[in-house]
Amino acid sequence: GNSVTQMEGPVTLSEEAFLTINCTYTATGYPSLFWYVQYPGEGLQLLLKATKADDKGSNKGFEATYRKETTSFHLEKGSVQVSDSAVYFCAPFTGRRALTFGSGTRLQVQP
Amino acid sequence: DTGVSQDPRHKITKRGQNVTFRCDPISEHNRLYWYRQTLGQGPEFLTYFQNEAQLEKSRLLSDRFSAERPKGSFSTLEIQRTEQGDSAMYLCASSPSGSGDTGELFFGEGSRLTVL
Repeated sequence: GNSVTQMEGPVTLSEEAFLTINCTYTATGYPSLFWYVQYPGEGLQLLLKATKADDKGSNKGFEATYRKETTSFHLEKGSVQVSDSAVYFCAPFTGRRALTFGSGTRLQVQP
Repeated sequence: DTGVSQDPRHKITKRGQNVTFRCDPISEHNRLYWYRQTLGQGPEFLTYFQNEAQLEKSRLLSDRFSAERPKGSFSTLEIQRTEQGDSAMYLCASSPSGSGDTGELFFGEGSRLTVL
C-alpha cells in the first residue's frame, strides 16, 4: 500500500520567510501526488497536485515538484503570510484505493 | 451550498451509547469516503463506497462500526457501544469516478465525536 513520511511540526516562521515542508512517499505504480491544507476550523481542501514525474503543482504561491527519482514532493513557498498558518498533508494516489495521508505538518506564521 | 455536508457537527455521548453520523456528498459524485482524524494526526481511511456498493473497509473499522449508503446518495456511519477511544473527528469526502476521477477528494467539515 501507499505510505507517506512528512517532516514533523510545528514549523514556526516569521512572515515573509521561505517555507519548505518535506514529503517522501512509497507507492505502487505511478501515483498522482497531492498536498491538502486544513485551516483552523475548516475541512481539508486540495492545495495543489501533480500527476506525473517532473510536473510542478502550484497554487496560492505554493509549489511542489514531483520527483520520481527521490520519491519526493516537497512543498515550498517563497514568502509565507500569517494566513498560511494551517496543517499541511501530503498524499499519494494510485487510483486503486482511497488517498493515504501523512501525519500532517503544522505551520505557524508569526507577524 | 453544493459542497459535502455532515451532520451533526459535534456529538457528545456517554460510553456505551450508539451514535450515527450522516454525510451528504456533492450530488454528481458517486464515490463517498469516510475517514477518522485524531488530534495531531492525518486522516485515516475507514471505508469507501462507489454508488451504494461498499468497496473497501479498513482494518480500523471494527465490528462496532457500520457504514451504509443505501441509495447511492447520502451515507451514514454508525458506531455502536462507543468507547472513549472512538473520540475523533469523522470526515466524509466525495469524488467522481471514471474519467472524472483525478484522485481529488472534496471534504466536509467533519463530525466531532466526544465520548465521555
